[in-house]
Amino acid sequence: EPQLVDSGGGVVQPGGSLRLSCEASGFTFTSHWMAWVRQAPGKGLEWVANIAQNGSEKYYIDSVKGRFTISRDNAKNSLYLQMDSLRVEDTAVYHCVNYGIFDVWGRGTMVTVSS
Amino acid sequence: DVVMTQSPLSLPVTLGQPASISCRSTQSLVYSDGNAYLNWFQQRPGQSPRRLISKVSKRDSGVPDRFSGSGSGTDFTLKITRVEAEDVGVYFCMQGTHWPVTFGAGTKLEIK
Repeated sequence: EPQLVDSGGGVVQPGGSLRLSCEASGFTFTSHWMAWVRQAPGKGLEWVANIAQNGSEKYYIDSVKGRFTISRDNAKNSLYLQMDSLRVEDTAVYHCVNYGIFDVWGRGTMVTVSS
Repeated sequence: DVVMTQSPLSLPVTLGQPASISCRSTQSLVYSDGNAYLNWFQQRPGQSPRRLISKVSKRDSGVPDRFSGSGSGTDFTLKITRVEAEDVGVYFCMQGTHWPVTFGAGTKLEIK
């Protein structure tokens, strides 16, 4: 069964960093664009970043450009999100998902940015 | 960005009764290939989102046939013919026609 397991969230002060990870199984990871989608408390879902199958193309929502970096390691079937210069407004549950199809989602990992 | 407006945001329903959720977009979701890339998702409490319907009306494998999607252009609807207890959760629409993908705010379905 296709599965994504995301991890790495936590509580961090404004200006801090976190690295999220997402491990895929049960489907051909290398065939898919992948993405991170977040959900702030009480809000809807918001696409954050996505990456091509071989990592050659990456796109970001404007509010995270220059602060977040999406990457992947196809040998490990893993997706990552390096989050630097975190802001209070980045507080959310972050889900990894197979971008374009959106039929496999991670359960989500909570990121809380607070002083 | 395309804004997706869902209504209602809260939907109390009696077991066995029908339910309907509307999703409207600020631009037509018809792509150059003729398809409208409008998905519906269900998120049960404590779970990750699950895709129910893609391309307006294509039900995913394992999704009960009491769920159906319809619509065109900018106006779309998710219907449940007879609500069951397991249907409790939040329902989102999402457009994948225009970059970036955008989501509706979500409709919380609860049992009355």
